[in-house]
Amino acid sequence: EVRLVQSGGAVKKSGESLKISCQGSGYKFTSYWIVWVRQLPGEGLEWMGAVYPGDSQTTYSPSVEGQVTISVDKSTGTAYLQWSSLKASDTAVYFCARRRDYGYYHFDRWGQGTLVTVSS
Amino acid sequence: SALTQPRSVSGSPGQSVTISCIGTFSDVGGYEYVSWYQHHPGRAPKLIISDIDKRPAGVPDRFSGSRSGATAFLTISGLQAEDEAHYYCCSYTGTYTWVFGGGTDLTVL
Repeated sequence: EVRLVQSGGAVKKSGESLKISCQGSGYKFTSYWIVWVRQLPGEGLEWMGAVYPGDSQTTYSPSVEGQVTISVDKSTGTAYLQWSSLKASDTAVYFCARRRDYGYYHFDRWGQGTLVTVSS
Repeated sequence: SALTQPRSVSGSPGQSVTISCIGTFSDVGGYEYVSWYQHHPGRAPKLIISDIDKRPAGVPDRFSGSRSGATAFLTISGLQAEDEAHYYCCSYTGTYTWVFGGGTDLTVL
């Protein structure tokens, strides 16, 4: 069974760092991009960026580039989204999802979401 | 910027509803890569339409997708109570980037 399991919710303060994870199982991890999508409170979904476990290539939305870092450890089948200095505006639910490489442009499995709450 | 969806739509059981997703020719109108996702709050979003009009295995044929110019559409026919959820469109925008719509809240009356 294909699964994307995300780390638990986090409550942090502005300026703190955070790394959340997304572990894939039940499929060939290195053949699918892992994408990160956020949902700000009361808002819709926003594509943030992605990482390809096969070669660790990353791509970011202009709106978040420089604000977050996406990485992957293919030995454990885990992708990460991290912040070095959180802001209150980072409060959101963060989803990971997978996208098959080579000609596929949709996200066919999603994680359950990680709620990140940042207090000022 | 985000694709434009109606904030909410509603319909009675058995009826049909259509959700629009307005983009530009740099996204929805420029690529054959529009997808739709169903999201019940607290659960993982679910892919229901890919590549404008393709239904993944297991998705009921009550769900259908289409496109006209730079606007994509999701039609749900034979509404059921379980269809009450948020629906998001998403389009490829080139150079490995994507954009979502603002989401539509479907209420089954």
